Amino acid sequence: DADVTQTPRNRITKTGKRIMLECSQTKGHDRMYWYRQDPGLGLRLIYYSFDVKDINKGEISDGYSVSRQAQAKFSLSLESAIPNQTALYFCATSDLPGTSGTDTQYFGPGTRLTVL
Amino acid sequence: GESVGLHLPTLSVQEGDNSIINCAYSNSASDYFIWYKQESGKGPQFIIDIRSNMDKRQGQRVTVLLNKTVKHLSLQIAATQPGDSAVYFCAENRNSGGSNYKLTFGKGTLLTVNP
Repeated sequence: DADVTQTPRNRITKTGKRIMLECSQTKGHDRMYWYRQDPGLGLRLIYYSFDVKDINKGEISDGYSVSRQAQAKFSLSLESAIPNQTALYFCATSDLPGTSGTDTQYFGPGTRLTVL
Repeated sequence: GESVGLHLPTLSVQEGDNSIINCAYSNSASDYFIWYKQESGKGPQFIIDIRSNMDKRQGQRVTVLLNKTVKHLSLQIAATQPGDSAVYFCAENRNSGGSNYKLTFGKGTLLTVNP
């Protein structure tokens, strides 16, 4: 979805290096999410942010940190990358549930990260 | 159905046939469900959603059925086309308090359409 962009799209790095993955959105959504995807394990939530001043840990936050620089930008950092962080990483956004009570998330194209 | 192991469930159909992809969800309090399609090398793409106060919803060539009694969700694709080949995920929206909704995803089913 061109409304949610991720950079870089592919990255190969070495164990111990610090890596930052960036996400930008033009959908005007308040909520942003970072997921990782591994074969056979589906999408797992790393961190999420419901607004600029709100940051929450997901189910697998260890080894990761995030920064919500603006409504449109949410970056994910691996402070010291390790091989088992090799995965596909997806950013997603959603609007406030509002009267519909729903929270459909829209995903970026993903970043393929390989840690050697 | 959804996988509990490392192997992705697969469904292989002939072009033009109807496809049915199943999903079992875990939380009876979930009130909103979504189906996503993920093509190779791309991010998940929203297909269709359904609220828990409904048992059926139709879109273009797709129908979602919800059976709350057995906590089961299905996605039916009519006249399946090669472009429908992808991994399909169901997701349940669990209300974690107030307006704080979060999605929990199933592991996905790989649909392969044979010409």
